[in-house]
Amino acid sequence: DQQVKQNSPSLSVQEGRFSILNCDYTNSMFDYFLWYKKYPAEGPTFLISISSIKDKNEDGRFTVFLNKSAKHLSLHIVPSQPGDSAVYFCAASPGTYKYIFGTGTRLKVLA
Amino acid sequence: GAGVSQSPSNKVTEKGKDVELRCDPISGHTALYWYRQSLGQGLEFLIYFQGNSAPDKSGLPSDRFSAERTGGSVSTLTIQRTQQEDSAVYLCASSSRLAVYEQYFGPGTRLTVT
Repeated sequence: DQQVKQNSPSLSVQEGRFSILNCDYTNSMFDYFLWYKKYPAEGPTFLISISSIKDKNEDGRFTVFLNKSAKHLSLHIVPSQPGDSAVYFCAASPGTYKYIFGTGTRLKVLA
Repeated sequence: GAGVSQSPSNKVTEKGKDVELRCDPISGHTALYWYRQSLGQGLEFLIYFQGNSAPDKSGLPSDRFSAERTGGSVSTLTIQRTQQEDSAVYLCASSSRLAVYEQYFGPGTRLTVT
């Protein structure tokens, strides 16, 4: 039973446009959420996080939104750049060290 | 400073053989994780080490899997009597005690069991 779901396996956007990556979760005990980015043949790298006491966290071109009632979070990238092309994983935790990861969304930013 | 390193980067083994995968975490990081990513799947938690505490082995899929962490640093994941379903990328990550959410991942070991 997938507790963290990324229902879109892939997404293509034009350079300069919005990228929106979505993530849904089922466990209401999750209270800390992360996004990681992964390039081929490399390990995932931490991108941005959000705790359940917030509904938005911003870091440069990256913004994560959390809708607790819908058990949904999203990562917005604007403007999208070709270097953003990677697989993006969301992960959730009930406040412990153990994170549950989604299956990832492959983003392709077209020049 | 060096990041997390893993060796080998690729390993092809015959079904039934044992394999050892190595992880060198970032110096000073007390927490160390092993994950597995099978084709088309997310990262699956395997085991967690924190300092000298007993490891959390709850993610190990069978008793063929074991892991050690010597001296609070290097870790070895051992898979005995490998099966084809063990084929995956095995990722190691480390983090500091104060920022356990920010895990630094190694490049992974791609294991192929033929």
